Amino acid sequence: SAVISQKPSRDICQRGTSLTIQCQVDSQVTMMFWYRQQPGQSLTLIATANQGSEATYESGFVIDKFPISRPNLTFSTLTVSNMSPEDSSIYLCSVGGVGGRNTEAFFGQGTRLTVV
Amino acid sequence: KNEVEQSPQNLTAQEGEFITINCSYSVGISALHWLQQHPGGGIVSLFMLSSGKKKHGRLIATINIQEKHSSLHITASHPRDSAVYICAVPNHSGGSNYKLTFGKGTLLTVNP
Repeated sequence: SAVISQKPSRDICQRGTSLTIQCQVDSQVTMMFWYRQQPGQSLTLIATANQGSEATYESGFVIDKFPISRPNLTFSTLTVSNMSPEDSSIYLCSVGGVGGRNTEAFFGQGTRLTVV
Repeated sequence: KNEVEQSPQNLTAQEGEFITINCSYSVGISALHWLQQHPGGGIVSLFMLSSGKKKHGRLIATINIQEKHSSLHITASHPRDSAVYICAVPNHSGGSNYKLTFGKGTLLTVNP
């Protein structure tokens, strides 16, 4: 299994500012992903965090708005830039391939972001 | 792109009842995930399965690959089972098991 520490767990931010969310895993993992869950909606994939290279973004998400870093196999950050109230959501990191094996997916506890 | 349908959207049960939540998807997959989300937002992975049936405690998950359908069962339900249960499948046929498309979830409330 894998234990994921996601920080912060919640934050209230002013519009126009940026927030960086951290995801730390206690094991090396092949894949790390970032998801967004807008109020009342299902989770949507933002991007795949690639170790040592630029993240791969899904349609509708861009690097300028959601820059992602992944410096090693256990850590990633997602920044929500120039925030507006529409960015108020739960953001989750997810990992798969723990220890290089075909394990189940593991999720962080989520970051509940409110933009005012 | 895979589409996921879950039913029911909301489910209220009395403690001890047998619960079934259903999930259908549109594109052939290699694995399907059942997840549990609590009010704070955190998600716990319950199962990842690619065929047949898996059991963990009072939870049972089944999948029929040919019919593109999976069910999650809870036996002897308890108020602490109250949560949102989410089905998730790979975005695309042949895609990564971990790049997921999620159902809208089933809100389960178990009353004492």
